[in-house]
Amino acid sequence: DVKVTQSSRYLVKRTGEKVFLECVQDMDHENMFWYRQDPGLGLRLIYFSYDVKMKEKGDIPEGYSVSREKKERFSLILESASTNQTSMYLCATTDRGYNSPLHFGNGTRLTVT
Amino acid sequence: AQKITQTQPGMFVQEKEAVTLDCTYDTSDQSYGLFWYKQPSSGEMIFLIYQGSYDEQNATEGRYSLNFQKARKSANLVISASQLGDSAMYFCAMRVLISSGSARQLTFGSGTQLTVLP
Repeated sequence: DVKVTQSSRYLVKRTGEKVFLECVQDMDHENMFWYRQDPGLGLRLIYFSYDVKMKEKGDIPEGYSVSREKKERFSLILESASTNQTSMYLCATTDRGYNSPLHFGNGTRLTVT
Repeated sequence: AQKITQTQPGMFVQEKEAVTLDCTYDTSDQSYGLFWYKQPSSGEMIFLIYQGSYDEQNATEGRYSLNFQKARKSANLVISASQLGDSAMYFCAMRVLISSGSARQLTFGSGTQLTVLP
């Protein structure tokens, strides 16, 4: 079974803080994603990566950056947290198959006060 | 751009009855895949079923089946014999097949909250 581990289940940060959300996968998948989930909006793609050191913006990249120094680890960075970034953040991976589903971590619920 | 629409924010169904969750999609691409996920209150995303745009038969996985109507651009999830454990948020998602080097991301709908009544 694919295991996708997000470092924190719950996180509370103050406005203006730099926040790191970590995601580690154990299946040697090339593709990794960060989504945020908000009620009524579903899941929206923030950033994704298809190889080490490669990254591409998703639909809502503003206020976020990412880092992928190793294949198994994909980090989401909030440079200066704001209250509108309070959300559930989901990391996911998939392999190359076009019919391969995304495998998700358990999510990090971030609250910015 | 791709878009997924789930028009039912909430649905109720009686235990042991069947229920259909609606999903329509919008894409100009010919090659794509459609996925359904279940998210219980615990928060994990569970993959349920997949349908490819060129698949001639509707996908089935146990009590889940996908009613795929390509001309209408709909991919409704049918759950037969509902159980209390089926109460969850359900998301429809689409992947468009594009050239290698892409990360094969999914575009998600806004979800349908299903409640199974005893």
